[in-house]
Amino acid sequence: GAVVSQHPSWVICKSGTSVKIECRSLDFQATTMFWYRQFPKQSLMLMATSNEGSKATYEQGVEKDKFLINHASLTLSTLTVTSAHPEDSSFYICSARDGNGISYEQYFGPGTRLTVT
Amino acid sequence: KQEVTQIPAALSVPEGENLVLNCSFTDSAIYNLQWFRQDPGKGLTSLLLIQSSQREQTSGRLNASLDKSSGRSTLYIAASQPGDSATYLCAVNHNTDKLIFGTGTRLQVFP
Repeated sequence: GAVVSQHPSWVICKSGTSVKIECRSLDFQATTMFWYRQFPKQSLMLMATSNEGSKATYEQGVEKDKFLINHASLTLSTLTVTSAHPEDSSFYICSARDGNGISYEQYFGPGTRLTVT
Repeated sequence: KQEVTQIPAALSVPEGENLVLNCSFTDSAIYNLQWFRQDPGKGLTSLLLIQSSQREQTSGRLNASLDKSSGRSTLYIAASQPGDSATYLCAVNHNTDKLIFGTGTRLQVFP
């Protein structure tokens, strides 16, 4: 149980275009999902917290108009990188928290590697 | 502001050795602490989760301890194997909502 998927696993796009990444909880309902980014050989940095049915909460320094997050259902959150630039190239990982769980454990997706050319 | 540090940053050992990876955090008011494994280019695999009220958790050859008052956790890997080679990350859950990740330890176990 507690499986989280991401799609796509990797994507290459041209500078100026937008890219959407999906995060799904497959066997549980996730009231809260989290989006992280990871640069090479660095640790994960939280970008935003996504709550089902409400606006996402962004961490300091993360542009909410550039990284659009939608959490329209209890099993799906999407991250859209708008007007992507090469500096947005990174590994994006989502996680989901079981809404019925008591441990507040987060379950992580396999990540999406974005390359902007 | 919570800061999480892991020592050593990198470790290379022959297989069979018992290993200790260290994680320290500056704010002891945590809800829980997790240890993860990350293979190159992959997502995270949760290894162990320790609630703030617990002192240790064990899974197979892995044992994680938590000393909340001193802001420290250790991950003990017994009889290391080449398949254990990966980056190990610890993360603290500070307010039940956010995970703050450590800097990671890159482990290489050679035959």
